[in-house]
Amino acid sequence: QVQLQESGPGLVKPSATLSLTCTVSGGSLSNYYWSCLRQSAGKALEWIGRIHKSGTTNYNPSLESRVTMSVDASKNQFSLQLRSVTAADTAVYYCVREISGPLGWFDPWGQGTLVTVSS
Amino acid sequence: DVVLTQSPDSLAVSLGERASFNCKSSRILLSTSNNKNYLAWYQRKPGQPPKLLIYWASTRQSGVPDRFSGSGSGTDFTLTISSLQAEDVAVYYCQQYYSTPQTFGQGTKVEIK
Repeated sequence: QVQLQESGPGLVKPSATLSLTCTVSGGSLSNYYWSCLRQSAGKALEWIGRIHKSGTTNYNPSLESRVTMSVDASKNQFSLQLRSVTAADTAVYYCVREISGPLGWFDPWGQGTLVTVSS
Repeated sequence: DVVLTQSPDSLAVSLGERASFNCKSSRILLSTSNNKNYLAWYQRKPGQPPKLLIYWASTRQSGVPDRFSGSGSGTDFTLTISSLQAEDVAVYYCQQYYSTPQTFGQGTKVEIK
C-alpha cells in the first residue's frame, strides 16, 4: 500500500524559498504522476504541480513562475521548491499520487505539513 | 480555470437519514470522446488528509462503503450518503480533472443533527 510523507521546514521567511520533500513508501514512483497541492485557511485546495519519474513536469499557471519540481527515483522521492514566498503561501502542503494522469484524481494523500511564512 | 461551486456550505442530518449535496461546474465536465464525467469526490475528516471516495463522477473507490454514491453529468453533480453514520462527519470536496489546472470546490461540511 503506497504511502506518502511530506517533510518541510515548518517556518519560512518572506522572500525565501520553500522546499518540500515527498517520500513514497510501499511502492515505487513507477509510471504515475506525483503532485503537490496546498490549502490555505479558508480557501479551496489548490493544485501546485506534478512530476513524472521521467522528469516531465506541469505547473499551475498561477504559480509557474515560482515553482520547480524535481524527482530522485533512487530515493523514491520528489520535491517542490517555491521561490519568493509571501504570507499568502502559508498553507498545509500535501504530496499525492495522481491516478489516470496527467490530469487525473488524487490517491493516496500524505498527511500534509503546515508551512508558515513569517519573519 | 474551471470553478466548482458546492452547496450547501454545511448541512446537519440525523443519523440514518440521507444526506445529499451538490457540486456545480462552470464548464461541462463530460467528454464526448469517452462519455465520462471528469469529476471526483473526497472526504476529509478532522485531522486527516482528504480521502478519495468517487471518480468518473460515479465510480466508487475500492473499500468505500456503498452508502456513498455519486451522480450527475455535464455541469451538475451530487454526492449522496444514503444512511448517515457518525463516522461520516467530515468535509466533502469535489474536484474536476477535465482541464488544467485541476480545481476543487470549497467543500460541504456534514454534521450530525
